Amino acid sequence: NAGVTQTPKFQVLKTGQSMTLQCAQDMNHNSMYWYRQDPGMGLRLIYYSASEGTTDKGEVPNGYNVSRLNKREFSLRLESAAPSQTSVYFCASSPGGLAGLSSYNEQFFGPGTRLTVL
Amino acid sequence: QKEVEQDPGPLSVPEGAIVSLNCTYSNSAFQYFMWYRQYSRKGPELLMYTYSSGNKEDGRFTAQVDKSSKYISLFIRDSQPSDSATYLCAMTSYYSSASKIIFGSGTRLSIRP
Repeated sequence: NAGVTQTPKFQVLKTGQSMTLQCAQDMNHNSMYWYRQDPGMGLRLIYYSASEGTTDKGEVPNGYNVSRLNKREFSLRLESAAPSQTSVYFCASSPGGLAGLSSYNEQFFGPGTRLTVL
Repeated sequence: QKEVEQDPGPLSVPEGAIVSLNCTYSNSAFQYFMWYRQYSRKGPELLMYTYSSGNKEDGRFTAQVDKSSKYISLFIRDSQPSDSATYLCAMTSYYSSASKIIFGSGTRLSIRP
C-alpha cells in the first residue's frame, strides 16, 4: 500500500496564478484533511472532509477551495495564489467518525508539497 | 494565546541522554493527547497517543499527561541519533469530530553521536 500520496512534491507559482494540489489514499479511509505547516506555527487545518460528499472549513480556509472527488481523492485549489500561501502543504486521512472513549482515529500524513509563491 | 504551546527548541543532547519534551494547553475539554514525529522533509507520523491522564510507555518512549496542570510530556530514554527529528504534540477532545486536532508548533531535537 502506498498510504497517502501527494502531487506535486514542489511547485513555484507567481502571484495570481492558480493551481490544484492532488491527494489520494488507498487505505479506504472515510476522512481526509488538508493542512499547511509554517515555521513556528505548527500544522494548521485548512479544510477537511469527514466523509465522501462532505467538506468543512478548518482554521485557515481563506484563499482555498477543496473537492472530495471520491472516497480516495481530496484536492486543494488555490484560485489566485498570494505570497502568504508559501508553505508546506500536507494531506492526511483517517478512518473517520467520532473518537471513542478509548480509541483514536489516527491521521496518516502524506509526504507534503512545498509551494513557493513569488 | 495559542491553545497549545510548545517550546520550539532546538534541543541538542548527547547520545544516550534522557530527553524531555513538553507542551502546555488551555482547553480543558481535550481528552486525547498525541505525539507525532516528523523527520526532515517528511510528513508527521504518530508516535504515541494517550487517552485522558496518566502514563503510557512504548519501548524507550514514555508519554505523560497531567490534566490538572494542563501539561503533557514525552520522555525518550537512551536517545539515539535516529531520534533526531521534530516532535509535535497534538490534542483533541472526545466531543469534537476526530478531524479537529490542534497541533503544537513542534520541538526540533538533535541527538549528537
